[in-house]
Amino acid sequence: DVKVTQSSRYLVKRTGEKVFLECVQDMDHENMFWYRQDPGLGLRLIYFSYDVKMKEKGDIPEGYSVSREKKERFSLILESASTNQTSMYLCASNLSSGSGYEQYFGPGTRLTVT
Amino acid sequence: KNEVEQSPQNLTAQEGEFITINCSYSVGISALHWLQQHPGGGIVSLFMLSSGKKKHGRLIATINIQEKHSSLHITASHPRDSAVYICAVLQGAQKLVFGQGTRLTINP
Repeated sequence: DVKVTQSSRYLVKRTGEKVFLECVQDMDHENMFWYRQDPGLGLRLIYFSYDVKMKEKGDIPEGYSVSREKKERFSLILESASTNQTSMYLCASNLSSGSGYEQYFGPGTRLTVT
Repeated sequence: KNEVEQSPQNLTAQEGEFITINCSYSVGISALHWLQQHPGGGIVSLFMLSSGKKKHGRLIATINIQEKHSSLHITASHPRDSAVYICAVLQGAQKLVFGQGTRLTINP
């Protein structure tokens, strides 16, 4: 079974703090994704990575950066957390082609910025 | 207007009822996904389809490419089916565009 894990289920941070959200997948997937999910807005793509050290901006990259130093790990960084970044963050991964288009999701991290 | 619209947004039914959730989209797609999200957040993929119909247990998903419409049906619904169901369309190779989700509650 594909497993995507996220470092925390719940996180509370203060405004201005630097926040790291970690995601690890164990199936040698090339692609990894970070989404945020907000009521009424659904899931929106923040960033995705198609290879080690490669990244592309999604629909809402402002205020976020990412790091992918190893194939299995994709980190989302909030350089200076703000209250409008309070949200559910979901990581996903998949293969590059063929039947691997299906994305496998992690359990999510509910981040509260106070 | 969202590129992916789901209806209804909320649905409450009694155990045993036949459930239909609809998804309409306005963009070109290479495939459509139906996802399930239980309380607590984890999302699992139910179906990925690009034409016709797929069935898995009590779940059936259909898609009409010409009409840009898909439906998810649940037969003999059960309280454990209570979850948020999300439609997502695949544009190109990797970009998923998500609907807002349908919150389904099945009462015993």
